[in-house]
Amino acid sequence: GQNIDQPTEMTATEGAIVQINCTYQTSGFNGLFWYQQHAGEAPTFLSYNVLDGLEEKGRFSSFLSRSKGYSYLLLKELQMKDSASYLCAVRDSNYQLIWGAGTKLIIKP
Amino acid sequence: ETGVTQTPRHLVMGMTNKKSLKCEQHLGHNAMYWYKQSAKKPLELMFVYNFKEQTENNSVPSRFSPECPNSSHLFLHLHTLQPEDSALYLCASSPSGGDSSYEQYFGPGTRLTVT
Repeated sequence: GQNIDQPTEMTATEGAIVQINCTYQTSGFNGLFWYQQHAGEAPTFLSYNVLDGLEEKGRFSSFLSRSKGYSYLLLKELQMKDSASYLCAVRDSNYQLIWGAGTKLIIKP
Repeated sequence: ETGVTQTPRHLVMGMTNKKSLKCEQHLGHNAMYWYKQSAKKPLELMFVYNFKEQTENNSVPSRFSPECPNSSHLFLHLHTLQPEDSALYLCASSPSGGDSSYEQYFGPGTRLTVT
């Protein structure tokens, strides 16, 4: 079966750096997405990786290793507004998005 | 209005009621999706429409009935629901259903409670 694993919850301190990991086993691979979802709101797109390596976008970066079935989202200079759930999703060989259950990130002052 | 809108935002219904959820996208996209989001579970894809044609039905019970009259509007008709159907129902759209690089744009969701 297809599976996306990410930690259920993480806690970090304002101003620090946090890395949220995602491992996947899917039938084929056509890209990996990270979304942010604040409580009670819509998920919003953060990043897309299809080739190995690091994609940087401001305070957020996303890394992909296709051979290891692994990705991480790196958040720098954490702010209180970064408290949210972070969803990892992989597009499989049928172009279906397979979703992880999300990582709830709690930022403390 | 911009982006993806959903109405109502909250809905409480009995198991014998019939109700409909509405989604509208103002992005000129050709693909629309219904997802179910339950607490601490992955998003579950329910239905996909690409250019108004249903291209995906992920073994969804018949008490959920989608309708896509045009590329901008998507409905989810509900009848004889069960308490376990209580969840957040999210609508999303993307430029097309097949291109792997396109992200999906989500609406704010309808929080459904079945009593």
